[in-house]
Amino acid sequence: AQSVTQLGSHVSVSEGALVLLRCNYSSSVPPYLFWYVQYPNQGLQLLLKYTTGATLVKGINGFEAEFKKSETSFHLTKPSAHMSDAAEYFCAVSEPGGYNKLIFGAGTRLAVHP
Amino acid sequence: DAGITQSPRHKVTETGTPVTLRCHQTENHRYMYWYRQDPGHGLRLIHYSYGVKDTDKGEVSDGYSVSRSKTEDFLLTLESATSSQTSVYFCATWTGALANEQFFGPGTRLTVL
Repeated sequence: AQSVTQLGSHVSVSEGALVLLRCNYSSSVPPYLFWYVQYPNQGLQLLLKYTTGATLVKGINGFEAEFKKSETSFHLTKPSAHMSDAAEYFCAVSEPGGYNKLIFGAGTRLAVHP
Repeated sequence: DAGITQSPRHKVTETGTPVTLRCHQTENHRYMYWYRQDPGHGLRLIHYSYGVKDTDKGEVSDGYSVSRSKTEDFLLTLESATSSQTSVYFCATWTGALANEQFFGPGTRLTVL
């Protein structure tokens, strides 16, 4: 069965600092991987995804993530945090060729302080 | 944005009453999903649909049923609401394997007293 672990339910960074949100997965087959962002009282918005091809994936708002098969990881990074990045971030996986049923991690709440 | 609306957006109900949540999409996506979001659990799949009248259970389907009589509408029913079903419910649609993106609605906050 697939599972997703996000290390750190809360992460706090200074404005301008590096953002690193960690995601590790467990899957019997190479999965598709996703990062979503949720702003307060809103639905989820896709930041980026990995399906096949290049393992370094660039997304919206300056975020990127690297798929490392050997480490079963898909960590999300941004070189310089902005106040508007404060939100909750979810890592998710799905099994290729299926019905795209997403398995989510528990989420990481990112706080950005001046 | 896949043009997903959910109704109602907020609902307070009492234990034992039936509740139906509605999801409506305007993008003609074949696949639709219902998730619930709870602190510490992220989102968990309740039920999904892969076409009109074609539905299947997800990870946390006990106490829930769904129906899809039209492509654009996916209904989630709590036959007899319990306090453990207090949650935020999200509907989603999937573009299919080519674009491979799941779009989420704004959510329905349900409180069962």
